[in-house]
Amino acid sequence: KAGVTQTPRYLIKTRGQQVTLSCSPISGHRSVSWYQQTPGQGLQFLFEYFSETQRNKGNFPGRFSGRQFSNSRSEMNVSTLELGDSALYLCASSLSDRGFNEQFFGPGTRLTVL
Amino acid sequence: GENVEQHPSTLSVQEGDSAVIKCTYSDSASNYFPWYKQELGKRPQLIIDIRSNVGEKKDQRIAVTLNKTAKHFSLHITETQPEDSAVYFCAASKRGSGNTPLVFGKGTRLSVIA
Repeated sequence: KAGVTQTPRYLIKTRGQQVTLSCSPISGHRSVSWYQQTPGQGLQFLFEYFSETQRNKGNFPGRFSGRQFSNSRSEMNVSTLELGDSALYLCASSLSDRGFNEQFFGPGTRLTVL
Repeated sequence: GENVEQHPSTLSVQEGDSAVIKCTYSDSASNYFPWYKQELGKRPQLIIDIRSNVGEKKDQRIAVTLNKTAKHFSLHITETQPEDSAVYFCAASKRGSGNTPLVFGKGTRLSVIA
């Protein structure tokens, strides 16, 4: 079974631009979560989607948004990029948003904002 | 909301020695505590998890203990090997009705010296 995939793997943008990141979950997984990983801050939760509905949202500004499609693929968008948005963005998929289901992480998208 | 503290931030041990990483959580409703290992340049991977109805769980050289009263849980790695070198993250969440997202500690960089 193929793992979680993310595209693109690397992105370089300038301040003020916007960016869209994509995540394809493991086949059959319907829940997708997004995390921002920065040195020293660990993984910070952005949002979680299940069946095209946002279930939970982390403490990030409204510039960060996401969505999930009917095939469970998910995208996140960051508008008006700031230098502090430079990070590794990880998505993780699980079977469901209920129960003790393991979250499987993708390889991440490394975003650099200049 | 949930807050997870993880200590130490860095840990160096001699090959063959044991390593212990400790985490505390704030939300007494949390009932799921996974541990993830992230090797350099790789995605986080689940290595072991524990639910609140269990006090200890072992998987070969890895064990996790949970003290619900004190709200802390620990990862124990025995007979460490160089391939155990990685960043380890603990996390906590509430699973079941009214799921909460995984909240991660800031990570522990473990170095196993041969």
